Amino acid sequence: EPEVTQTPSHQVTQMGQEVILRCVPISNHLYFYWYRQILGQKVEFLVSFYNNEISEKSEIFDDQFSVERPDGSNFTLKIRSTKLEDSAMYFCASSPGGQNQPQHFGDGTRLSIL
Amino acid sequence: SQQGEEDPQALSIQEGENATMNCSYKTSINNLQWYRQNSGRGLVHLILIRSNEREKHSGRLRVTLDTSKKSSSLLITASRAADTASYFCATVPGGTSYGKLTFGQGTILTVHP
Repeated sequence: EPEVTQTPSHQVTQMGQEVILRCVPISNHLYFYWYRQILGQKVEFLVSFYNNEISEKSEIFDDQFSVERPDGSNFTLKIRSTKLEDSAMYFCASSPGGQNQPQHFGDGTRLSIL
Repeated sequence: SQQGEEDPQALSIQEGENATMNCSYKTSINNLQWYRQNSGRGLVHLILIRSNEREKHSGRLRVTLDTSKKSSSLLITASRAADTASYFCATVPGGTSYGKLTFGQGTILTVHP
């Protein structure tokens, strides 16, 4: 069964550094998402991406964050200047349709900011 | 309470028993979904129920939705040790949406063999 893959599984970065989290969504899916889960807290929506542009974003997704689909397979989340509070598990998800379709999640990237 | 709040926060049962988890939400929804998360893994979609549906079944799972009370329940029948995981409800808002999910805090289910 096709699955969403995320790399790396764990990323350790110094505060202030840029980090890029990578995701390969399921190939025929059209909608792509990033969520994050700070330890002990809820999974939080960051951004959705459809038709090569951001379709929705949360208050968390400020100017430090950006997303890109550089080719037909990858979907990336960039954090320009990381802060301690960016430490979290970041999940990528994809869906064949929009609001009435289930989302398929990757296993996440654990981001640790030192 | 916040959008997508589950209760109980933790549930411990014996194999073979049924497990019921509840979820409440505050705003209008397009649909409500349940996900499972095993420790250290991503979320796995279990079932989606639309706002105009009242009940849905999938294998040993039964989900109900009461939009008048803004609540949903997930029933797992004849539980197994492999059902041990965290369970989350998530809502998609009504109106135009690209599928943004708002998650609850989750219920930690432990099934003892």
